[in-house]
Amino acid sequence: AQSVTQPDIHITVSEGASLELRCNYSYGATPYLFWYVQSPGQGLQLLLKYFSGDTLVQGIKGFEAEFKRSQSSFNLRKPSVHWSDAAEYFCAVGRAGGTSYGKLTFGQGTILTVHP
Amino acid sequence: DAGVTQSPTHLIKTRGQQVTLRCSPKSGHDTVSWYQQALGQGPQFIFQYYEEEERQRGNFPDRFSGHQFPNYSSELNVNALLLGDSALYLCASSLYNREDEQYFGPGTRLTVT
Repeated sequence: AQSVTQPDIHITVSEGASLELRCNYSYGATPYLFWYVQSPGQGLQLLLKYFSGDTLVQGIKGFEAEFKRSQSSFNLRKPSVHWSDAAEYFCAVGRAGGTSYGKLTFGQGTILTVHP
Repeated sequence: DAGVTQSPTHLIKTRGQQVTLRCSPKSGHDTVSWYQQALGQGPQFIFQYYEEEERQRGNFPDRFSGHQFPNYSSELNVNALLLGDSALYLCASSLYNREDEQYFGPGTRLTVT
């Protein structure tokens, strides 16, 4: 069975500092990997996704993530955090090939607090 | 172009009651998935509907059921509500077999007292 682990429940950074959110997954097949962001009272917004090819993927809002198959990781990074990045971030895994009928498995989430 | 819409925004029910939540997919999408997000947790897949049929189901009891209409909108029904059903219920729409392009609605916050 697939699973996603986000080891950090809560991270606090200063505005302008760099950010890395960790994600480890367990999946028996070739995975699709996603990062979503959720602001209070909002639904999930897709930041970026990885299917194949270049292991460094760029997303919206200046985020990027790197897929490392040997470490089963897909960490999210941003070089300089803005106060508006404060939100909860979710890593998710789905099945490559589109045969999982829409099922995404999410991690528990990491809450990001940004200090001015 | 309207995105995914859900109604109602908030709902308070009593244990043992039944509830129906509604979802309208993004224009052009034909597939709807439902997720339950308990407080402090990530979303959990409930089921997906396509062509008015349930295509896949997560680990949820039969108290959770759904329906998809010919216009692709969908309902989630929960019977015999338990306190543990309190959660944010998210609807996501996509084209069939394109979970890589799922768009999520803002959710319905259900509180069971």
